[in-house]
Amino acid sequence: QVQLQESGPGLVKPSQTLSLTCTVSGGSISSGAYYWNWIRQHPVKGLEYIGYVYYSGSTYYNPSLKSRVTISIDTSKNQLSLRLTYVTAADTAVYYCVSRSGYVTSWGQGTLVTVSS
Amino acid sequence: AIQMTQSPSSLPASVGDRVTITCRASQGIRNDLVWYQQKSGKAPKLLIYAASSLQGGVPSRFSGNGSGTDFTLTISTLQPEDFATYYCLQDYNYPWTFGQGTKVEIK
Repeated sequence: QVQLQESGPGLVKPSQTLSLTCTVSGGSISSGAYYWNWIRQHPVKGLEYIGYVYYSGSTYYNPSLKSRVTISIDTSKNQLSLRLTYVTAADTAVYYCVSRSGYVTSWGQGTLVTVSS
Repeated sequence: AIQMTQSPSSLPASVGDRVTITCRASQGIRNDLVWYQQKSGKAPKLLIYAASSLQGGVPSRFSGNGSGTDFTLTISTLQPEDFATYYCLQDYNYPWTFGQGTKVEIK
């Protein structure tokens, strides 16, 4: 089973871009067996699905975030990335990268991102 | 997006109790329902997938049931380590959507 580790700035200013990376170990991000997802957990609103990227580069984004989000993979580094533009305080959350293979999901430990000036 | 309504939001219980959590989907989702357990400061842990299939390593006191729109998670005999927050997730279609969570707490 793959292991996932998120990294990135813990503090982002309003209107700026949130950028996170997820490093995958124990498996190849180029494997067609997995979908690579981002999910966030708001302090109050709960868990929200952001989107996925497949090894081919195909993506899906939650319509609620679609205009601001980009998910991509870097096969040379075995990483996936999340970019969220024009952030506001409502984007403050713990961000998780999550792999999905068949029915089984594996979650990273999560990283807290606070949007504040 | 499919809405998942989970109840109750809080469930006071004692060790040894049988507890049941309910999740209702706003439309039919076959058996595409997952249950997670989350402890403070940790990522959600997969308990049950496909509504009733127990993930490897999860104790057999956990069980899931349901199909279509109505689902349940049951803990047959609550153990001290089971006090946590539980979430349902529909993976029938995108965007995946979660229930609001049920906090099982000490009575």
